[in-house]
Amino acid sequence: QITLKESGPTLVKPSQTLTLTCTFSGFSLYSGGVAVGWIRQPPGKALEWLALVSWDDDKRYSPSLKNRLTVTRDTSKNQVVLTMSDMDPVDTATYYCAHAPTIFDPRGYYDLYFDFWGQGTLVTVSS
Amino acid sequence: QSVLTQPPSVSGAPRQRVTISCSGSRPNVGNNAVNWYQQVPGKAPKLLIYDDDVQPSGVSDRFSGFKSGTSASLAISGLQSEDEADYYCAAWDDSLSGPVFGGGTKLTVL
Repeated sequence: QITLKESGPTLVKPSQTLTLTCTFSGFSLYSGGVAVGWIRQPPGKALEWLALVSWDDDKRYSPSLKNRLTVTRDTSKNQVVLTMSDMDPVDTATYYCAHAPTIFDPRGYYDLYFDFWGQGTLVTVSS
Repeated sequence: QSVLTQPPSVSGAPRQRVTISCSGSRPNVGNNAVNWYQQVPGKAPKLLIYDDDVQPSGVSDRFSGFKSGTSASLAISGLQSEDEADYYCAAWDDSLSGPVFGGGTKLTVL
Protein backbone atom coordinates (compact mmCIF):
# COMPACT_ATOMS: atom_id res chain seq x y z
CA GLN A 1 0.00 0.00 0.00
CA ILE A 2 1.37 3.37 -1.02
CA THR A 3 1.31 6.16 1.53
CA LEU A 4 2.85 9.62 1.64
CA LYS A 5 2.99 12.17 4.42
CA GLU A 6 4.18 15.75 4.41
CA SER A 7 5.95 17.30 7.37
CA GLY A 8 7.43 20.68 8.13
CA PRO A 9 6.67 24.00 9.78
CA THR A 10 3.13 25.30 9.88
CA LEU A 11 4.25 28.92 10.18
CA VAL A 12 7.11 30.70 8.46
CA LYS A 13 8.04 34.36 8.37
CA PRO A 14 8.28 36.38 5.16
CA SER A 15 11.67 36.05 3.41
CA GLN A 16 12.44 32.77 5.22
CA THR A 17 13.08 29.47 3.46
CA LEU A 18 10.48 26.72 3.76
CA THR A 19 11.64 23.12 3.99
CA LEU A 20 9.06 20.37 3.61
CA THR A 21 9.68 16.64 3.79
CA CYS A 22 7.60 13.97 2.09
CA THR A 23 8.05 10.57 3.72
CA PHE A 24 6.66 7.73 1.67
CA SER A 25 6.22 3.97 1.81
CA GLY A 26 4.98 1.22 -0.46
CA PHE A 27 7.14 2.08 -3.46
CA SER A 28 10.73 2.77 -4.41
CA LEU A 29 11.90 5.93 -6.09
CA TYR A 30 14.37 3.70 -7.90
CA SER A 31 11.54 1.99 -9.78
CA GLY A 32 11.52 2.88 -13.46
CA GLY A 33 9.04 5.56 -14.38
CA VAL A 34 8.06 6.52 -10.84
CA ALA A 35 8.09 10.11 -9.65
CA VAL A 36 7.08 12.21 -6.66
CA GLY A 37 5.51 15.60 -7.17
CA TRP A 38 4.75 18.60 -5.00
CA ILE A 39 1.49 20.47 -5.50
CA ARG A 40 0.08 23.34 -3.46
CA GLN A 41 -3.34 24.89 -2.98
CA PRO A 42 -3.89 28.36 -1.51
CA PRO A 43 -7.05 28.59 0.61
CA GLY A 44 -10.10 28.57 -1.65
CA LYS A 45 -8.00 28.39 -4.81
CA ALA A 46 -6.95 25.86 -7.41
CA LEU A 47 -4.19 23.28 -7.37
CA GLU A 48 -0.78 24.41 -8.56
CA TRP A 49 2.08 22.09 -9.49
CA LEU A 50 5.45 23.02 -8.02
CA ALA A 51 8.09 20.37 -8.63
CA LEU A 52 8.76 16.79 -9.66
CA VAL A 53 11.60 14.36 -9.02
CA SER A 54 11.81 11.13 -10.99
CA TRP A 55 13.24 7.67 -10.48
CA ASP A 56 16.34 8.67 -12.45
CA ASP A 57 16.75 11.88 -10.38
CA ASP A 58 15.44 14.05 -13.20
CA LYS A 59 13.97 17.21 -11.67
CA ARG A 60 11.36 19.55 -13.08
CA TYR A 61 10.11 22.83 -11.65
CA SER A 62 7.22 25.17 -12.27
CA PRO A 63 8.70 27.88 -14.52
CA SER A 64 7.07 30.63 -12.45
CA LEU A 65 8.74 29.41 -9.25
CA LYS A 66 11.85 27.76 -10.59
CA ASN A 67 14.26 30.27 -9.06
CA ARG A 68 12.92 29.61 -5.57
CA LEU A 69 12.49 25.84 -5.57
CA THR A 70 14.79 22.91 -4.96
CA VAL A 71 13.70 19.28 -4.76
CA THR A 72 15.93 16.46 -3.59
CA ARG A 73 15.42 12.80 -2.83
CA ASP A 74 16.88 10.58 -0.16
CA THR A 75 16.13 7.09 -1.37
CA SER A 76 17.72 5.50 1.70
CA LYS A 77 15.15 7.24 3.89
CA ASN A 78 12.28 7.10 1.39
CA GLN A 79 11.99 10.86 1.51
CA VAL A 80 11.68 13.76 -0.89
CA VAL A 81 12.50 17.25 0.33
CA LEU A 82 11.20 20.50 -1.13
CA THR A 83 12.73 23.85 -0.27
CA MET A 84 11.18 27.15 -1.25
CA SER A 85 13.11 30.32 -0.62
CA ASP A 86 12.01 33.89 0.01
CA MET A 87 8.58 32.98 1.31
CA ASP A 88 5.80 35.55 0.98
CA PRO A 89 2.27 35.68 2.41
CA VAL A 90 0.93 34.73 -1.04
CA ASP A 91 2.70 31.37 -0.58
CA THR A 92 0.28 30.51 2.22
CA ALA A 93 -1.22 27.23 1.08
CA THR A 94 -1.71 23.56 1.74
CA TYR A 95 1.27 21.72 0.32
CA TYR A 96 0.83 18.16 -0.96
CA CYS A 97 3.26 15.53 -2.12
CA ALA A 98 1.98 12.81 -4.43
CA HIS A 99 3.10 9.62 -6.20
CA ALA A 100 3.15 9.39 -9.97
CA PRO A 101 3.46 5.84 -11.35
CA THR A 102 4.58 7.00 -14.75
CA ILE A 103 5.51 10.11 -16.65
CA PHE A 104 5.83 9.16 -20.28
CA ASP A 105 3.74 6.66 -22.20
CA PRO A 106 5.62 4.41 -24.66
CA ARG A 107 3.05 5.41 -27.27
CA GLY A 108 4.74 8.79 -27.44
CA TYR A 109 3.02 11.22 -25.12
CA TYR A 110 3.23 12.38 -21.52
CA ASP A 111 0.84 10.60 -19.17
CA LEU A 112 1.77 11.99 -15.77
CA TYR A 113 -0.86 11.58 -13.11
CA PHE A 114 -0.87 11.47 -9.30
CA ASP A 115 -2.56 8.37 -7.98
CA PHE A 116 -1.67 8.64 -4.29
CA TRP A 117 -1.54 11.84 -2.30
CA GLY A 118 -0.40 12.84 1.14
CA GLN A 119 -2.87 14.45 3.50
CA GLY A 120 -1.33 17.86 2.91
CA THR A 121 0.18 20.34 5.31
CA LEU A 122 -0.99 23.92 5.71
CA VAL A 123 1.83 26.43 5.68
CA THR A 124 1.05 29.99 6.73
CA VAL A 125 3.43 32.81 5.89
CA SER A 126 3.11 35.65 8.36
CA SER A 127 5.26 37.86 10.50
CA GLN B 1 -5.33 32.34 -14.68
CA SER B 2 -5.02 28.60 -15.32
CA VAL B 3 -3.60 27.14 -18.52
CA LEU B 4 -6.55 24.73 -18.65
CA THR B 5 -10.00 26.35 -18.59
CA GLN B 6 -12.88 24.85 -16.65
CA PRO B 7 -16.29 26.30 -15.80
CA PRO B 8 -16.31 27.61 -12.21
CA SER B 9 -19.44 25.68 -11.33
CA VAL B 10 -21.96 23.14 -12.57
CA SER B 11 -25.03 21.69 -10.94
CA GLY B 12 -27.47 18.88 -11.41
CA ALA B 13 -30.26 17.04 -9.70
CA PRO B 14 -29.86 13.58 -8.19
CA ARG B 15 -29.76 10.80 -10.80
CA GLN B 16 -29.01 13.29 -13.58
CA ARG B 17 -25.90 13.38 -15.75
CA VAL B 18 -23.54 16.34 -15.81
CA THR B 19 -20.41 17.09 -17.76
CA ILE B 20 -17.45 19.27 -16.86
CA SER B 21 -15.37 20.68 -19.67
CA CYS B 22 -11.63 21.31 -19.79
CA SER B 23 -10.27 23.44 -22.59
CA GLY B 24 -6.59 23.54 -23.37
CA SER B 25 -4.24 23.80 -26.33
CA ARG B 26 -1.96 21.63 -28.40
CA PRO B 27 1.04 21.63 -26.00
CA ASN B 28 -1.10 20.20 -23.19
CA VAL B 29 -4.48 18.59 -23.90
CA GLY B 30 -3.75 18.26 -27.60
CA ASN B 31 -0.51 16.36 -27.23
CA ASN B 32 -0.77 14.61 -23.88
CA ALA B 33 -3.08 12.63 -21.64
CA VAL B 34 -5.70 14.32 -19.50
CA ASN B 35 -6.39 13.40 -15.90
CA TRP B 36 -9.25 14.26 -13.59
CA TYR B 37 -9.29 14.65 -9.83
CA GLN B 38 -12.09 14.97 -7.30
CA GLN B 39 -11.51 17.01 -4.14
CA VAL B 40 -13.87 17.09 -1.23
CA PRO B 41 -13.36 20.21 0.95
CA GLY B 42 -10.63 19.68 3.49
CA LYS B 43 -9.33 16.53 1.82
CA ALA B 44 -6.56 15.68 -0.63
CA PRO B 45 -7.48 15.27 -4.30
CA LYS B 46 -8.47 11.81 -5.51
CA LEU B 47 -7.61 10.51 -8.98
CA LEU B 48 -10.77 9.78 -10.99
CA ILE B 49 -9.55 9.39 -14.57
CA TYR B 50 -6.11 9.07 -16.17
CA ASP B 51 -4.89 8.65 -19.75
CA ASP B 52 -7.97 10.57 -20.99
CA ASP B 53 -10.55 7.90 -20.20
CA VAL B 54 -9.16 5.23 -17.87
CA GLN B 55 -10.70 4.69 -14.44
CA PRO B 56 -8.37 3.63 -11.65
CA SER B 57 -9.39 0.55 -9.74
CA GLY B 58 -12.04 1.38 -7.18
CA VAL B 59 -13.46 4.43 -8.95
CA SER B 60 -17.15 4.23 -9.75
CA ASP B 61 -18.04 3.64 -13.40
CA ARG B 62 -20.41 6.60 -13.09
CA PHE B 63 -17.34 8.71 -13.87
CA SER B 64 -16.09 8.76 -17.45
CA GLY B 65 -13.59 10.84 -19.38
CA PHE B 66 -13.50 11.97 -22.99
CA LYS B 67 -11.10 13.94 -25.14
CA SER B 68 -11.27 15.42 -28.58
CA GLY B 69 -8.54 17.62 -29.96
CA THR B 70 -7.67 20.26 -27.38
CA SER B 71 -10.75 19.77 -25.21
CA ALA B 72 -11.63 17.15 -22.65
CA SER B 73 -14.63 16.47 -20.48
CA LEU B 74 -15.63 14.53 -17.41
CA ALA B 75 -19.10 13.03 -17.29
CA ILE B 76 -20.79 12.02 -14.07
CA SER B 77 -23.93 9.96 -14.44
CA GLY B 78 -26.50 9.07 -11.81
CA LEU B 79 -25.58 12.07 -9.67
CA GLN B 80 -25.43 11.45 -5.94
CA SER B 81 -25.13 13.90 -3.07
CA GLU B 82 -21.70 12.45 -2.30
CA ASP B 83 -20.49 13.71 -5.69
CA GLU B 84 -20.56 17.29 -4.41
CA ALA B 85 -16.94 18.34 -4.64
CA ASP B 86 -14.43 20.30 -6.68
CA TYR B 87 -13.17 18.70 -9.88
CA TYR B 88 -9.85 19.44 -11.57
CA CYS B 89 -8.46 18.46 -14.93
CA ALA B 90 -4.72 18.24 -15.52
CA ALA B 91 -2.30 17.47 -18.32
CA TRP B 92 1.40 17.67 -19.08
CA ASP B 93 2.35 20.84 -20.91
CA ASP B 94 5.19 20.48 -23.40
CA SER B 95 5.96 24.21 -23.30
CA LEU B 96 6.23 24.32 -19.51
CA SER B 97 7.83 20.86 -19.17
CA GLY B 98 5.50 19.98 -16.34
CA PRO B 99 1.87 19.31 -15.49
CA VAL B 100 -0.77 22.03 -15.45
CA PHE B 101 -4.09 22.02 -13.63
CA GLY B 102 -7.39 23.57 -14.54
CA GLY B 103 -8.97 26.20 -12.32
CA GLY B 104 -11.40 23.69 -10.86
CA THR B 105 -15.16 23.24 -11.11
CA LYS B 106 -17.47 23.12 -8.13
CA LEU B 107 -20.23 20.57 -8.55
CA THR B 108 -23.45 21.16 -6.66
CA VAL B 109 -26.07 18.42 -6.40
CA LEU B 110 -29.39 20.17 -6.12
